[in-house]
Amino acid sequence: QVHLQESGPGLVEPSGTLSLSCTVSGASIRSENWWSWVRQPPGKGLEWIGEIHHGGNTNYHPSLDSRVSISVDTSKNEFSLTLTSVTAADTAVYYCARDRPGVSAYDYWGPGILVTVSS
Amino acid sequence: AFQLTQSPSSLSASVGDRITITCRASQGITSALAWYQQKPGKSPKLLISDASYLESGVPSRFSGSGSGTDFTLTISSLHPEDFATYYCQQFNTYPYTFGQGTKLEIK
Repeated sequence: QVHLQESGPGLVEPSGTLSLSCTVSGASIRSENWWSWVRQPPGKGLEWIGEIHHGGNTNYHPSLDSRVSISVDTSKNEFSLTLTSVTAADTAVYYCARDRPGVSAYDYWGPGILVTVSS
Repeated sequence: AFQLTQSPSSLSASVGDRITITCRASQGITSALAWYQQKPGKSPKLLISDASYLESGVPSRFSGSGSGTDFTLTISSLHPEDFATYYCQQFNTYPYTFGQGTKLEIK
């Protein structure tokens, strides 16, 4: 069974950097899947952040492109999200997710981690 | 700019009712659309992939249809556990946008 688990600080100061990791078990991050980040501000809808393939190719949401970076560590079977210059608007539950190759869907999701931007 | 519009934003229904949720894309996206169910405090759960393929383990009362610009999620007979928020997501055009969500509540 595939499991994804987000980890990282739950509190980040304004203008600081948000850094999260997603550890994958039950599947290899070297597979042909794309690995993604999605966020959900409290009480609001889902927002796609971006994705990475183990080969290093990435795609990001244009509204975040100047602040976001997603990387992969194949030795740890995990991928990571970095978001710089955060504001209160970046407060959200952050999810990592896996797409199914050749299929339009995210089939596995992590439980999510709440990150609050506050001093 | 690409838009994915989901409607209605909320829906009140009773156990046993048949309901339909719609997702409309501003340009054609072939069948590159998924539907998810989300309950409070939980991550989204995949229901339908590629617009109409039922995910393994998902009850057959759920169905998806459509291609191009217009898509629907139908629940043929609501069960108590179906009351949740539903989202569509398109995979044809970056960024992979979600619909605004439909909150399904008990009448």
